[in-house]
Amino acid sequence: DAKTTQPNSMESNEEEPVHLPCNHSTISGTDYIHWYRQLPSQGPEYVIHGLTSNVNNRMASLAIAEDRKSSTLILHRATLRDAAVYYCILRDNNAGNMLTFGGGTRLMVKP
Amino acid sequence: DAGVIQSPRHEVTEMGQEVTLRCKPISGHDYLFWYRQTMMRGLELLIYFNNNVPIDDSGMPEDRFSAKMPNASFSTLKIQPSEPRDSAVYFCASRILTGTEAFFGQGTRLTVV
Repeated sequence: DAKTTQPNSMESNEEEPVHLPCNHSTISGTDYIHWYRQLPSQGPEYVIHGLTSNVNNRMASLAIAEDRKSSTLILHRATLRDAAVYYCILRDNNAGNMLTFGGGTRLMVKP
Repeated sequence: DAGVIQSPRHEVTEMGQEVTLRCKPISGHDYLFWYRQTMMRGLELLIYFNNNVPIDDSGMPEDRFSAKMPNASFSTLKIQPSEPRDSAVYFCASRILTGTEAFFGQGTRLTVV
């Protein structure tokens, strides 16, 4: 499986934007970039995914580098409820259907 | 739909006892995944099913672990005999064939003493 690299932790102030980076230099052409987050004492939940183009949804935006070797999850206005571990995951739609989680980034939001 | 339902939410058992964790996936979902989460190893995929058939069980740690999916609405993960190092949070997730998003349950926190 192609590997992703994320910072262990990040801090943000409430109501400010947050940019969570992810490096995936060995990404293959058929790998989709998925983001999940895990709130305290809960199971992971889907945030967003993309292949090549930037993506927006009600939760966040995903900015994908032109060479696809990195991506950034953008929370436009962090709230205290956004404090969670954020996982960047590559999933090859052509081979297997599992999600392989790495260590993720623990986001702390300060009031 | 109530989402993926796992039971029990918490389980405390003695070493050597059999433990059975249960999962009810979202109705109509084709894939079911079992994950284990520990502080040391993070989230690990144990096994997953497609249409009730086990597809990849390479993550099952050893023969003490077994998983079944007798029908589309129910799966079990059994540990026999249990050991203290099995203590972890076990998550079940499901996904529709053509979908992207996997839906996770609330997890079962297992403590083996």
